[in-house]
Amino acid sequence: DAKTTQPPSMDCAEGRAANLPCNHSTISGNEYVYWYRQIHSQGPQYIIHGLKNNETNEMASLIITEDRKSSTLILPHATLRDTAVYYCIVELSGGGADGLTFGKGTHLIIQP
Amino acid sequence: NAGVTQTPKFRILKIGQSMTLQCTQDMNHNYMYWYRQDPGMGLKLIYYSVGAGITDKGEVPNGYNVSRSTTEDFPLRLELAAPSQTSVYFCASSSYEQYFGPGTRLTVT
Repeated sequence: DAKTTQPPSMDCAEGRAANLPCNHSTISGNEYVYWYRQIHSQGPQYIIHGLKNNETNEMASLIITEDRKSSTLILPHATLRDTAVYYCIVELSGGGADGLTFGKGTHLIIQP
Repeated sequence: NAGVTQTPKFRILKIGQSMTLQCTQDMNHNYMYWYRQDPGMGLKLIYYSVGAGITDKGEVPNGYNVSRSTTEDFPLRLELAAPSQTSVYFCASSSYEQYFGPGTRLTVT
């Protein structure tokens, strides 16, 4: 079973920031939080990951709470192309020898 | 870099037929994976490999076989196809993050 809990769906207006929450209350000290997204039937795409510090790259920002029991993925200026299923995954690193455990994710719909 | 490539993109099999799904990566990654995704669900791990000559079972290996003779290639073999194997199959390779191929959509009728 996935170690994370995400809302099944969310809406966001185009041009606004999309904030996707994830609960991972059983995360252990050496596990990372990874975010991937899957745009309509394509292969999943890596977005960002972090251990305990907040992270930012050209796609998104990742905010991890101090107790590491939850996190938020932020897409700063959502576009229609950001409509996708977003997966929050907790793993040791990269999936390693066990692969990634995918839950059902959050279906983010960007509204024009 | 082409990344991870998969062939074929689509395939229809009759029950009992066999086929091989091809996967190739050009990033020199040691780790490679096969997942399947049923409609409305997340991906489930079928098999993985940590390097050439080494493979191991994932969560749902029954009905499948793999081999890893080179770093680049990781084919998935379906023997005696069944309707329950109708799914979309994704291959991936990884360093710290996983890179996925475009998928193979398989229908078994």
